[in-house]
Amino acid sequence: DTEVTQTPKHLVMGMTNKKSLKCEQHMGHRAMYWYKQKAKKPPELMFVYSYEKLSINESVPSRFSPECPNSSLLNLHLHALQPEDSALYLCASSPRDRGVHEQYFGPGTRLTVT
Amino acid sequence: SQQGEEDPQALSIQEGENATMNCSYKTSINNLQWYRQNSGRGLVHLILIRSNEREKHSGRLRVTLDTSKKSSSLLITASRAADTASYFCATVDSGYALNFGKGTSLLVTP
Repeated sequence: DTEVTQTPKHLVMGMTNKKSLKCEQHMGHRAMYWYKQKAKKPPELMFVYSYEKLSINESVPSRFSPECPNSSLLNLHLHALQPEDSALYLCASSPRDRGVHEQYFGPGTRLTVT
Repeated sequence: SQQGEEDPQALSIQEGENATMNCSYKTSINNLQWYRQNSGRGLVHLILIRSNEREKHSGRLRVTLDTSKKSSSLLITASRAADTASYFCATVDSGYALNFGKGTSLLVTP
């Protein structure tokens, strides 16, 4: 299984809502990532988890809260988002966080904040 | 942080033609990777070239890397309509984060 899955595919939420994005992989990868991508822009790294521990937080606002319950799952909890947070949120995984590795990306969750 | 810069930003060609995209970067790298993205969906890894390699092939793809000029190119030969997508280069330095370039939007018309 060389697939990274993400749910939901689309999400519309109000600024006062709390929602979660989910990501799953069963490739035995020990590094998982969250990226944010605005339209016609490249992905921007948000968080890196290595061996289920948060190793990188790229100065992301606290309204985004990542969680790695186990080595296969990665969540992104959303609370009190702003309209400018509307974007495609991509999850990715790789065998390790360092070294020469490609990353495997999920299809993304398209988030709209109203 | 974004390090790479691709050019051209957009490229339109006909099926059967070759497409060449260039990527420049600013700092020392461990490796450079190219990804494809269809219609705002997930990225697909195409090819990885290490800093001590100069050229690599994979099917219709050819990637070159010139570390002295801090640049790379991706050549897609005999393009097909299905190659229509955005292409990103991404560099990896001593760490683990992919630093993506701005991307090239490729349109292949029948």
